[in-house]
Parts: sequence; C-alpha cells; structure tokens
Amino acid sequence: SQQGEEDPQALSIQEGENATMNCSYKTSINNLQWYRQNSGRGLVHLILIRSNEREKHSGRLRVTLDTSKKSSSLLITASRAADTASYFCATDSSSGGSYIPTFGRGTSLIVHP
Amino acid sequence: DAGVTQSPTHLIKTRGQQVTLRCSPKSGHDTVSWYQQALGQGPQFIFQYYEEEERQRGNFPDRFSGHQFPNYSSELNVNALLLGDSALYLCASSLVSGNSYGYTFGSGTRLTVV
Repeated sequence: SQQGEEDPQALSIQEGENATMNCSYKTSINNLQWYRQNSGRGLVHLILIRSNEREKHSGRLRVTLDTSKKSSSLLITASRAADTASYFCATDSSSGGSYIPTFGRGTSLIVHP
Repeated sequence: DAGVTQSPTHLIKTRGQQVTLRCSPKSGHDTVSWYQQALGQGPQFIFQYYEEEERQRGNFPDRFSGHQFPNYSSELNVNALLLGDSALYLCASSLVSGNSYGYTFGSGTRLTVV
C-alpha cells in the first residue's frame, strides 16, 4: 500500500508558470520528502521537510507541510521545460529502527516551452 | 564518487523464468533497499539488506529474494516470473545509521516479462 497520494495525477503548464502539487498521507510522520523522476529513470531527492517544520525553500522549490491536515504541497516557481518529470512525495515508515521511504503514485508534470 | 550502479539497464525474460538484478551501492553506504515500480505507479518497497541479512521486507511473495555481499553490493532474484513482474526495479543505498533522507537511488533495471 502507498502512504502518500499526490494530486493532481497529471499537470500540464506553460514555461514560466508556477506548478503546484499536493500530497496527502494517512499516518503520523517524522519527515516528508519530495523526489523527482525523469522518464522512468532513478529518483532524485529534491527536498525534505520535518514534521516540526511548516515551510521550506530550495531554489525555485517551496514545500509546505500541514500535519493537522496530513498534507504537503510542492511549488515550483517559474517553471522550465527541463522541469518536465514525475514528482513523488515520500513519507518515512519506521520499523525496527530503520526508516523506509514510502512513496505515493506521483504527479506527472509537463512544462511546454 | 560513484553513485548507485545497477545492471543490467534493460532485460526481457519469458514467463516462468528466473532473473537476477545487481546493485552496487554508493561509496560509503552499507545498506541496500530494493523497490519495484510498475508503469504509472510509485515505487513499492521490496526489502532491505544490511550486514548480508534481510532487515525489513515489504508485501512481496517469496518468489522475490535477495542477497548482500561482503562488499555491500546486492542482488535481487525473482523466480517463476509472471507478466505482472514487468516493472522498473530500483535499488537505493544508505547508511544504516541514517534516516530515510540519506537514500541514493540508482537509475533502475527495466524488466519486461513476455
């Protein structure tokens, strides 16, 4: 089963516009991460936000976390064609002292030049 | 500094056959995790290896097995392949003392079962 669920499933925008993706999860978390995946390749870690944080920035990325609503959002500002990829949120599942990232189904982002 | 290396990159097997996928972790990492990603889905955790033993396992049948070698590299074996095993298999390495944000992923092996 997948802990996080991203919304929308697919997003198509023009270059220069902002892209917002949302993630909802079911159980309490320690951390939430966002990953990027280009065309069925490996996952690249983008940003991590801890459960006691509400907002975090990294370059053109802005992540928010609302633990009361069990949701997070990823904002990509001034999008570029190179941002075209699938984006996944991952919550940590702790068992036996080991943290295992649990992924949602992802949002497919297409940025048109 | 090499990241995570997976081989082969692509593989086509026939239903009922067996397959072995390989992973070399990032330098300095001692833990290897395997994920299965079906088309249009997110990665699903298969299992994790540390000190040559299976440390945790996801909801996958016994047809899926693995191994970790003294040099921390790992293999994923799948027996009696089904059409539904067609997927991208991702390997991730980390430090056992680290949290989940210490994971580094390889580019994956694309397995097609016909």
